[in-house]
Amino acid sequence: QSVLKQPPSVSAAPGQKVTISCSGSSSNIGSNYVSWYQLLPGTAPKLLIYDNDKRPSGIPDRFSGSKSGTSATLGITGLQTGDEADYYCGTWDYSLTAVVFGGGTKLTVL
Amino acid sequence: EVQLVESGGGLVQPGGSLRLSCAASGFTFSWYWMIWVRLAPGKGLEWVANINQEGSEKQYVDSVKGRFTISRDSAKNSLYLQMNSLSAGDAAVYYCARQIATAGNYYMDVWGKGTTVTVSS
Repeated sequence: QSVLKQPPSVSAAPGQKVTISCSGSSSNIGSNYVSWYQLLPGTAPKLLIYDNDKRPSGIPDRFSGSKSGTSATLGITGLQTGDEADYYCGTWDYSLTAVVFGGGTKLTVL
Repeated sequence: EVQLVESGGGLVQPGGSLRLSCAASGFTFSWYWMIWVRLAPGKGLEWVANINQEGSEKQYVDSVKGRFTISRDSAKNSLYLQMNSLSAGDAAVYYCARQIATAGNYYMDVWGKGTTVTVSS
Protein backbone atom coordinates (compact mmCIF):
# COMPACT_ATOMS: atom_id res chain seq x y z
CA GLN A 1 0.00 0.00 0.00
CA SER A 2 1.49 3.30 -1.09
CA VAL A 3 1.41 6.24 1.27
CA LEU A 4 0.23 8.59 -1.48
CA LYS A 5 -2.91 7.66 -3.37
CA GLN A 6 -3.20 7.89 -7.14
CA PRO A 7 -5.82 6.51 -9.53
CA PRO A 8 -4.51 3.28 -11.11
CA SER A 9 -5.29 4.47 -14.62
CA VAL A 10 -6.52 7.39 -16.70
CA SER A 11 -7.17 7.70 -20.39
CA ALA A 12 -7.97 10.34 -22.96
CA ALA A 13 -7.81 10.90 -26.69
CA PRO A 14 -4.88 12.49 -28.51
CA GLY A 15 -4.96 16.25 -28.23
CA GLN A 16 -7.10 16.19 -25.11
CA LYS A 17 -6.22 17.06 -21.53
CA VAL A 18 -5.88 14.73 -18.56
CA THR A 19 -5.28 15.23 -14.87
CA ILE A 20 -3.76 12.80 -12.38
CA SER A 21 -4.46 13.28 -8.70
CA CYS A 22 -2.21 12.48 -5.76
CA SER A 23 -3.69 12.44 -2.29
CA GLY A 24 -1.74 12.45 0.92
CA SER A 25 -1.82 13.81 4.45
CA SER A 26 -0.52 16.62 6.62
CA SER A 27 2.74 14.78 7.26
CA ASN A 28 3.65 14.54 3.60
CA ILE A 29 1.96 16.59 0.88
CA GLY A 30 0.46 18.96 3.44
CA SER A 31 3.88 20.13 4.60
CA ASN A 32 6.34 19.39 1.79
CA TYR A 33 6.85 19.98 -1.90
CA VAL A 34 5.58 17.46 -4.44
CA SER A 35 7.38 16.11 -7.49
CA TRP A 36 6.14 14.07 -10.44
CA TYR A 37 7.94 11.43 -12.51
CA GLN A 38 7.31 9.73 -15.83
CA LEU A 39 8.30 6.08 -16.26
CA LEU A 40 8.55 4.58 -19.70
CA PRO A 41 9.57 0.91 -20.04
CA GLY A 42 13.28 0.44 -20.52
CA THR A 43 14.17 4.07 -19.97
CA ALA A 44 15.35 6.14 -17.06
CA PRO A 45 12.53 7.72 -15.05
CA LYS A 46 12.14 11.40 -15.85
CA LEU A 47 11.44 14.28 -13.50
CA LEU A 48 8.47 16.22 -14.85
CA ILE A 49 7.56 18.57 -12.02
CA TYR A 50 9.34 19.66 -8.84
CA ASP A 51 8.49 22.17 -6.11
CA ASN A 52 4.79 21.44 -6.78
CA ASP A 53 4.61 23.34 -10.03
CA LYS A 54 8.05 23.90 -11.58
CA ARG A 55 9.23 22.25 -14.76
CA PRO A 56 12.86 21.24 -15.29
CA SER A 57 14.58 22.47 -18.39
CA GLY A 58 13.42 20.52 -21.42
CA ILE A 59 10.01 19.55 -20.08
CA PRO A 60 7.33 21.06 -22.32
CA ASP A 61 4.72 23.38 -20.87
CA ARG A 62 2.06 20.80 -21.73
CA PHE A 63 2.94 19.38 -18.33
CA SER A 64 1.84 21.30 -15.24
CA GLY A 65 1.60 20.71 -11.52
CA SER A 66 -0.40 22.14 -8.67
CA LYS A 67 -0.92 21.54 -4.98
CA SER A 68 -3.73 22.37 -2.60
CA GLY A 69 -3.71 21.28 1.01
CA THR A 70 -2.93 17.57 1.15
CA SER A 71 -3.47 16.87 -2.56
CA ALA A 72 -1.52 17.49 -5.73
CA THR A 73 -2.39 17.27 -9.40
CA LEU A 74 -0.44 16.66 -12.58
CA GLY A 75 -1.97 18.04 -15.75
CA ILE A 76 -1.07 17.09 -19.28
CA THR A 77 -2.54 18.96 -22.24
CA GLY A 78 -2.30 18.24 -25.95
CA LEU A 79 -1.93 14.52 -25.29
CA GLN A 80 0.38 12.59 -27.58
CA THR A 81 0.82 8.85 -27.98
CA GLY A 82 4.33 9.29 -26.66
CA ASP A 83 2.85 10.39 -23.34
CA GLU A 84 1.65 6.85 -22.65
CA ALA A 85 3.56 5.95 -19.52
CA ASP A 86 3.28 5.44 -15.79
CA TYR A 87 3.25 8.60 -13.70
CA TYR A 88 4.23 8.84 -10.02
CA CYS A 89 3.98 11.58 -7.45
CA GLY A 90 6.50 11.79 -4.64
CA THR A 91 7.35 13.81 -1.57
CA TRP A 92 8.90 13.58 1.91
CA ASP A 93 6.94 12.31 4.88
CA TYR A 94 8.25 13.72 8.14
CA SER A 95 6.25 11.31 10.26
CA LEU A 96 7.72 8.28 8.50
CA THR A 97 11.04 10.08 7.87
CA ALA A 98 10.94 8.63 4.40
CA VAL A 99 10.65 9.53 0.74
CA VAL A 100 7.17 8.40 -0.27
CA PHE A 101 5.57 7.81 -3.64
CA GLY A 102 2.12 7.24 -5.00
CA GLY A 103 1.18 3.87 -6.40
CA GLY A 104 1.49 5.15 -9.95
CA THR A 105 -1.03 5.97 -12.66
CA LYS A 106 -0.96 4.39 -16.08
CA LEU A 107 -1.88 6.87 -18.79
CA THR A 108 -3.42 5.51 -21.97
CA VAL A 109 -3.79 7.78 -24.96
CA LEU A 110 -6.65 6.25 -26.89
CA GLU B 1 26.13 15.02 -20.24
CA VAL B 2 24.81 14.28 -16.78
CA GLN B 3 24.51 10.52 -16.47
CA LEU B 4 24.00 7.71 -13.99
CA VAL B 5 24.70 4.10 -14.97
CA GLU B 6 23.77 1.21 -12.69
CA SER B 7 25.33 -2.23 -12.74
CA GLY B 8 25.57 -5.35 -10.62
CA GLY B 9 22.08 -6.71 -10.90
CA GLY B 10 21.39 -10.33 -11.69
CA LEU B 11 19.92 -13.59 -10.49
CA VAL B 12 20.56 -14.52 -6.88
CA GLN B 13 19.21 -17.26 -4.65
CA PRO B 14 17.10 -16.43 -1.59
CA GLY B 15 19.42 -15.55 1.26
CA GLY B 16 22.15 -14.46 -1.14
CA SER B 17 23.90 -11.15 -1.62
CA LEU B 18 24.49 -8.65 -4.40
CA ARG B 19 26.34 -5.37 -4.63
CA LEU B 20 24.88 -2.76 -6.94
CA SER B 21 27.00 0.06 -8.31
CA CYS B 22 26.10 3.38 -9.88
CA ALA B 23 28.64 5.35 -11.88
CA ALA B 24 28.03 9.08 -12.03
CA SER B 25 29.36 11.46 -14.67
CA GLY B 26 28.80 14.96 -15.95
CA PHE B 27 28.32 16.60 -12.56
CA THR B 28 30.13 17.12 -9.27
CA PHE B 29 29.13 13.92 -7.51
CA SER B 30 30.30 15.05 -4.07
CA TRP B 31 27.83 17.94 -4.03
CA TYR B 32 24.69 15.84 -3.99
CA TRP B 33 22.64 13.47 -1.91
CA MET B 34 22.15 10.19 -3.74
CA ILE B 35 19.33 7.67 -3.52
CA TRP B 36 18.33 4.13 -4.51
CA VAL B 37 14.73 3.58 -5.56
CA ARG B 38 13.22 0.28 -6.69
CA LEU B 39 10.29 -0.78 -8.83
CA ALA B 40 9.01 -4.28 -8.19
CA PRO B 41 6.83 -6.10 -10.74
CA GLY B 42 3.25 -4.97 -10.43
CA LYS B 43 4.09 -2.45 -7.71
CA GLY B 44 4.93 1.23 -7.45
CA LEU B 45 8.16 3.08 -6.87
CA GLU B 46 9.70 2.49 -3.46
CA TRP B 47 12.48 4.45 -1.82
CA VAL B 48 15.18 2.07 -0.59
CA ALA B 49 17.99 4.19 0.85
CA ASN B 50 19.71 7.51 0.54
CA ILE B 51 23.01 9.05 1.60
CA ASN B 52 24.26 12.58 2.11
CA GLN B 53 27.18 14.23 0.39
CA GLU B 54 29.79 13.15 2.93
CA GLY B 55 28.40 9.67 3.45
CA SER B 56 27.83 10.44 7.12
CA GLU B 57 24.04 10.34 7.02
CA LYS B 58 22.21 7.32 5.70
CA GLN B 59 18.52 6.49 5.70
CA TYR B 60 16.76 3.24 4.87
CA VAL B 61 13.23 2.03 4.35
CA ASP B 62 12.26 -0.22 7.26
CA SER B 63 12.05 -3.37 5.12
CA VAL B 64 15.78 -3.28 4.28
CA LYS B 65 17.27 -2.01 7.55
CA GLY B 66 19.97 -4.33 8.78
CA ARG B 67 20.23 -6.09 5.40
CA PHE B 68 21.17 -3.33 2.93
CA THR B 69 24.01 -0.84 3.18
CA ILE B 70 24.34 2.28 1.05
CA SER B 71 27.75 3.83 0.52
CA ARG B 72 29.58 6.15 -1.83
CA ASP B 73 33.10 6.82 -3.08
CA SER B 74 33.53 10.38 -4.28
CA ALA B 75 37.00 9.62 -5.65
CA LYS B 76 35.36 7.13 -7.99
CA ASN B 77 32.13 9.11 -8.49
CA SER B 78 30.26 6.00 -7.50
CA LEU B 79 27.31 4.97 -5.35
CA TYR B 80 26.82 1.48 -4.01
CA LEU B 81 24.14 -0.70 -2.47
CA GLN B 82 25.24 -3.84 -0.66
CA MET B 83 22.26 -6.16 -0.39
CA ASN B 84 22.36 -9.16 1.94
CA SER B 85 19.82 -11.79 2.97
CA LEU B 86 17.84 -11.21 -0.18
CA SER B 87 14.29 -12.48 -0.48
CA ALA B 88 11.68 -12.63 -3.21
CA GLY B 89 10.29 -9.34 -1.97
CA ASP B 90 13.52 -7.61 -2.96
CA ALA B 91 13.20 -8.52 -6.64
CA ALA B 92 12.89 -5.31 -8.60
CA VAL B 93 14.52 -2.90 -10.96
CA TYR B 94 16.84 -0.77 -8.84
CA TYR B 95 17.37 2.83 -9.89
CA CYS B 96 20.11 5.14 -8.78
CA ALA B 97 19.16 8.81 -8.72
CA ARG B 98 20.56 12.19 -7.78
CA GLN B 99 18.52 13.64 -4.96
CA ILE B 100 17.88 17.27 -4.24
CA ALA B 101 17.38 17.39 -0.48
CA THR B 102 16.55 20.59 1.37
CA ALA B 103 14.18 21.35 4.18
CA GLY B 104 10.76 20.17 3.08
CA ASN B 105 11.91 19.43 -0.42
CA TYR B 106 13.15 16.10 -1.68
CA TYR B 107 13.10 15.18 -5.34
CA MET B 108 15.19 13.23 -7.83
CA ASP B 109 16.30 15.18 -10.87
CA VAL B 110 18.60 12.67 -12.59
CA TRP B 111 17.96 8.93 -12.84
CA GLY B 112 19.74 5.94 -14.25
CA LYS B 113 18.08 3.32 -16.41
CA GLY B 114 18.13 0.77 -13.64
CA THR B 115 19.53 -2.68 -13.00
CA THR B 116 17.35 -5.73 -12.47
CA VAL B 117 17.59 -7.93 -9.39
CA THR B 118 15.93 -11.34 -9.57
CA VAL B 119 15.69 -13.50 -6.47
CA SER B 120 14.90 -17.11 -7.19
CA SER B 121 16.12 -20.61 -6.45
